[in-house]
Order: sequence, then structure tokens, then C-alpha cells
Amino acid sequence: AIRVTQSPSSLSVSPGDRVTITCRASQDIRSYLAWYQQKSGKAPELLVYAASTLQSGVPSRFSGSGSSTDFTLTISRLQSEDFATYYCQQYYNYPRTFGQGTKLEIK
Amino acid sequence: QVQLVQSGAEVKRPGASVKVSCKASGYTFVGYGIGWVRQVPGQGFEWMGWVNTFSGDPHFEGMFQGRVTVNTDTSTRTVDMELRSLTVDDTAIYYCARFDGTGSYLDYWGQGTLATVSS
Repeated sequence: AIRVTQSPSSLSVSPGDRVTITCRASQDIRSYLAWYQQKSGKAPELLVYAASTLQSGVPSRFSGSGSSTDFTLTISRLQSEDFATYYCQQYYNYPRTFGQGTKLEIK
Repeated sequence: QVQLVQSGAEVKRPGASVKVSCKASGYTFVGYGIGWVRQVPGQGFEWMGWVNTFSGDPHFEGMFQGRVTVNTDTSTRTVDMELRSLTVDDTAIYYCARFDGTGSYLDYWGQGTLATVSS
């Protein structure tokens, strides 16, 4: 199975900050990567697919980049509703595999 | 709007079975696959498998094969996933999620069903 390593595991940040989360795949997955946001006690929501395409309705302060093995999710100016845990997931092949998550906490 | 509504929380004994239902609405049901993912509370996600809602064919990972049965009912737009021979390690939140139109990523998720296995 493709290993997906996400970093950092947690981040202490303030509203208005710029946040960057990194995801690394153990092999070339081209652009077959998605990012999800999960708020406490809720189901995940799709933010980005194909590494850089924003899902409909997702605010433009979110952006994704990267290809092959290295990917990033950036939140340009953090808002209060963005405090959550973020996961990347590869869909190059089966089994689909997820990063371990990055939890954004209020500083 | 696309919605996936799952059945409620379950508590089971080791060795028992649990069935999680996933009812879809707001889109053409047979046009999109349904994936199953589980999450131990407070931890990451584990991919279980998926079902082709048009053919009803399931595709589950090795560790679940032989323990999972999936039933797709196109008339009620429901997918039922039954996991048998439960152990405490199966305690998790079980999610169904819709594949996008290309069968790639998961674009809409159910609210999750907590299954607790305890003696």
C-alpha cells in the first residue's frame, strides 16, 4: 500500500495566520490526491481534489499544490471556522490511504 | 442536494455482527460508487472497500474479505454493510461516502455510525 505521511501532526496558530500542511506519498501518485477537513464530531468534507482543484463551495483562502510525491495545503488567512483536523488521501490506487492528520489548534 | 444518511450507533458483543445502512438522496444513485471508511475515535482513517451500486459488486480489502457482506438496494437507494465476527478492534466510526463521477475521490460523506464492540 502507498504510505502517505502528513506533517505536522498539530499546529498552534492564530486567526489571520497563513498555514501550510505537507503530505508526502511513498511513490509517485501523479496528482491523485485529495484534502479533507474534519471538524470535531463531524464527518470529513472534501476541500481539494486532483491536488489543486477546489471543491465547489470551498473558500478561496484554501489552496492545494504539488504533484508526484510532495503536496501542500495552504490556508492563506486562517478564520475561526478553519480550526479542525485536515487529512490528505491518495486515490492513485487501492487501498486508498490517508495521512495521519494535522490538527489546527488555537494559539 | 446530495445526502448520505447512515443508521444509528450500535453496541455489540465480541463475535457478533453489525449492520450499517447508508441511504442516498439527491443524485442518480446507480451512477456513483459508495466507499466505506472507518475511523477509530480520535485517530486516522482506514479504507475498507467500495461497492459498485450499478452491479452491486463489492470490492473490499483483504482484511475484511470473508467478514463483510454488502447489499445494494436500488429501489430504496440504500447500501447495507454488515461486518461479522467482531472484535474489540472493530470499535470505530463507520462512514459511507460517495465516489465522484470518475470513481476517484470521495466527494460526499455520511454522518458516520459508531459501532462499539465490548464484552
